[in-house]
Amino acid sequence: GAVVSQHPSRVICKSGTSVKIECRSLDFQATTMFWYRQFPKQSLMLMATSNEGSKATYEQGVEKDKFLINHASLTLSTLTVTSAHPEDSSFYICSARSPASAEQYFGPGTRLTVT
Amino acid sequence: DAKTTQPTSMDCAEGRAANLPCNHSTISGNEYVYWYRQIHSQGPQYIIHGLKNNETNEMASLIITEDRKSSTLILPHATLRDTAVYYCIVNKGAQKLVFGQGTRLTINP
Repeated sequence: GAVVSQHPSRVICKSGTSVKIECRSLDFQATTMFWYRQFPKQSLMLMATSNEGSKATYEQGVEKDKFLINHASLTLSTLTVTSAHPEDSSFYICSARSPASAEQYFGPGTRLTVT
Repeated sequence: DAKTTQPTSMDCAEGRAANLPCNHSTISGNEYVYWYRQIHSQGPQYIIHGLKNNETNEMASLIITEDRKSSTLILPHATLRDTAVYYCIVNKGAQKLVFGQGTRLTINP
């Protein structure tokens, strides 16, 4: 199947700083990517839909000014957690939709720890 | 998207078939049934999907009832590496996936 990568796999940052997470589709072009967040022992929660060349669509309750999404190319979407706080510590996962099959392929996730 | 109901957890012996049920009684005619699984601390992995016919691939089989109100994912010969949380999702395809709580499947030696 198609491959989606994320970078970094783990990051620790101090409270108040910003962190950028990259999501890349390695062998296909993705006009749409999705960002999820997962807290321990919970399911994945969709945060936003990232569309290439246009603004992201955020789910209800997700602050768009705190979680900045940029989808500048057909193979790269970035999520920036601005002014991170300890409660933002979570597992962040992206997915990319293959236009050929409409299946979604998930990245391996990024574990963010805010101290 | 239609809501799905899955058992919270299941156990299965290694080498046996694992049968994971999913209820989706409010599914509409153009909605597919998707199955994904998530092994601990990894991203979800696509397993299989179907509309109304039974489907089989190298990972699993998907049996959908004639009324489409429920389905069963079958892992024919479960191994320890199949221990994961399995998510049944109903979706029109090419749309965002909304994850429920899933079934935590434990394969026992």
